[in-house]
Amino acid sequence: DVKVTQSSRYLVKRTGEKVFLECVQDMDHENMFWYRQDPGLGLRLIYFSYDVKMKEKGDIPEGYSVSREKKERFSLILESASTNQTSMYLCALSGSNQPQHFGDGTRLSIL
Amino acid sequence: QKEVEQNSGPLSVPEGAIASLNCTYSDRGSQSFFWYRQYSGKSPELIMFIYSNGDKEDGRFTAQLNKASQYVSLLIRDSQPSDSATYLCAVGFQGAQKLVFGQGTRLTINP
Repeated sequence: DVKVTQSSRYLVKRTGEKVFLECVQDMDHENMFWYRQDPGLGLRLIYFSYDVKMKEKGDIPEGYSVSREKKERFSLILESASTNQTSMYLCALSGSNQPQHFGDGTRLSIL
Repeated sequence: QKEVEQNSGPLSVPEGAIASLNCTYSDRGSQSFFWYRQYSGKSPELIMFIYSNGDKEDGRFTAQLNKASQYVSLLIRDSQPSDSATYLCAVGFQGAQKLVFGQGTRLTINP
């Protein structure tokens, strides 16, 4: 079974804070993804990475950055959190030309 | 702009009947097609994927793909109350490396 571990299920932060969301895999898969999911807007891709230190912007990268220093870990960073970044954040991974599998998600609230 | 369209529902089906979920997509270059099931408050779970025209069956689930009509569907036979969930259609580009998701169809199976 594909195992995708997100560091927190629920997180509450204040506006202006720097926020780190972590995603860890033990499958040695190349591709890792960060999405956010909002009611009425569906799942939207923020960033993805296809190798260590490689990243590519998704559809909504503004206000976010990512880091992939090791193959098994992909971090999403909110540089200065704002209330409109309150959302469900989902990490996914896939092997080469394989379907994506999701972690349990982090429900982030920015107050 | 790549688009994936689903009827948001809710779709209500009696227990034991066939549930039919539909999805259309805009880009003829799409290569891979996925169905995810998402229970309320949970993350999406992959249930089917299909790459070639025709039908693909897995237990009670059948995925159907018609590339000429840009149409993909999911049939659930012998529907059970546990099938009540939101079903997300996703269309893949660059292999399966990039997915565009539909808004999802909420399915309710009535005992």
